[in-house]
Amino acid sequence: QSVLTQPPSVSGAPGQRVTISCTGSSSNTGAGYDVHWYQQLPGRAPKLLIYGNNNRPSGVPDRFSGSKSGTSASLAITGLQAEDEADYYCQSYDSSLSGFVLFGAGTKLTVL
Amino acid sequence: QVQLVQSGAEVKKPGASVKVSCKASGYTFTNYGISWARQAPGQGLEWMGWISAYNGEIKYAQNLQGRVTMTTDTSTTTAHMELRSLRSDDTAVYYCARGASVYGGDFDYWGQGTLVTVSS
Repeated sequence: QSVLTQPPSVSGAPGQRVTISCTGSSSNTGAGYDVHWYQQLPGRAPKLLIYGNNNRPSGVPDRFSGSKSGTSASLAITGLQAEDEADYYCQSYDSSLSGFVLFGAGTKLTVL
Repeated sequence: QVQLVQSGAEVKKPGASVKVSCKASGYTFTNYGISWARQAPGQGLEWMGWISAYNGEIKYAQNLQGRVTMTTDTSTTTAHMELRSLRSDDTAVYYCARGASVYGGDFDYWGQGTLVTVSS
């Protein structure tokens, strides 16, 4: 069971805005550790989408944005497109005994 | 351009070992570390561990301690991950990913994945 909690699924129509939440605890996101987001298209390797809570790597459209406050982070996607249909994972660091790198369980985005 | 190219698919019997390689190119290998993650069929990502290609520092996920060994070969800019005493629930796609630090950093480039199937 992941200690970064994401909704299993979200959906939206083309052109709409959706958000995906990622909630941690005091030993990871609440301790100030950065949250990163990955997009995984069907059958493909994950791709870094957002790093350091709100930074986009070169080549990632500005339709994708990230934010973090306290123990929670969010990924927002505006102007939904069919090719955005994918699984999205958040990732952070955990300072507890079982710690180091944590991934959320993933959120399946369906474009209606 | 940065590339991580992994070795091919493997089929192993329970109790055997598997070694997956990850050939890095397009950057200074020793400036980064390599993390390994796996993804069981239909499941999410599970982090397995990280190794620094600079000084060999290693961090393993607690649930894999004692079964996994990660190494790097700076002469060939290749990272390796060996998993021993394989079980059926080790069946997964295994990924390597470049990461500057395990202490909160991201993984900016990923290999294409290696399917490891454990079956009798």
